[in-house]
Amino acid sequence: DAGVIQSPRHEVTEMGQEVTLRCKPISGHDYLFWYRQTMMRGLELLIYFNNNVPIDDSGMPEDRFSAKMPNASFSTLKIQPSEPRDSAVYFCASSVHRGQTEAFFGQGTRLTVV
Amino acid sequence: GENVEQHPSTLSVQEGDSAVIKCTYSDSASNYFPWYKQELGKGPQLIIDIRSNVGEKKDQRIAVTLNKTAKHFSLHITETQPEDSAVYFCAASTGDKVIFGPGTSLSVIP
Repeated sequence: DAGVIQSPRHEVTEMGQEVTLRCKPISGHDYLFWYRQTMMRGLELLIYFNNNVPIDDSGMPEDRFSAKMPNASFSTLKIQPSEPRDSAVYFCASSVHRGQTEAFFGQGTRLTVV
Repeated sequence: GENVEQHPSTLSVQEGDSAVIKCTYSDSASNYFPWYKQELGKGPQLIIDIRSNVGEKKDQRIAVTLNKTAKHFSLHITETQPEDSAVYFCAASTGDKVIFGPGTSLSVIP
């Protein structure tokens, strides 16, 4: 397996624009997680899915953020409208179990909102 | 909710020396404690984990210890090598979410 695949690797966008980040989890993993990493706040869990169903979105910072998982092999994280403070590295991770086994992280998407 | 603290935030050691990173957690129900290594430009990668029914675990040059009474756990790296330079994250989980510590940037000086 190629691991967790995220796209794009880098995204630069203007404030107010819509941004969509994409993730392909490892086949057979039932859990998918979206994290945001910043210097100030470290690694924050935004939302996680189990079998394509959102389970906990309490980490999503605002209504401008939304995430979907239409099938077992694809998830998106959308920010609309984007703001400069959304600039961060966004990671997708997948695992076999929720919080008791290894989470495999993608390479991340570095988002810059200018 | 769970809160994980990690010290030090930065650590420099000479090649061949040992490095120790310490973490504390707040939720006594936490029972799974993974450690991740993040190299520049990459996502975090699991290097070792320990469960609450075990006090110590070792894998070659890496060892973790857990003190459930004190809610402390530590990562020990012996005979450090330049390729050990990275950011290390401890984490704790009750079986629900995994909460990460703020990270330790380790530099191994050749």
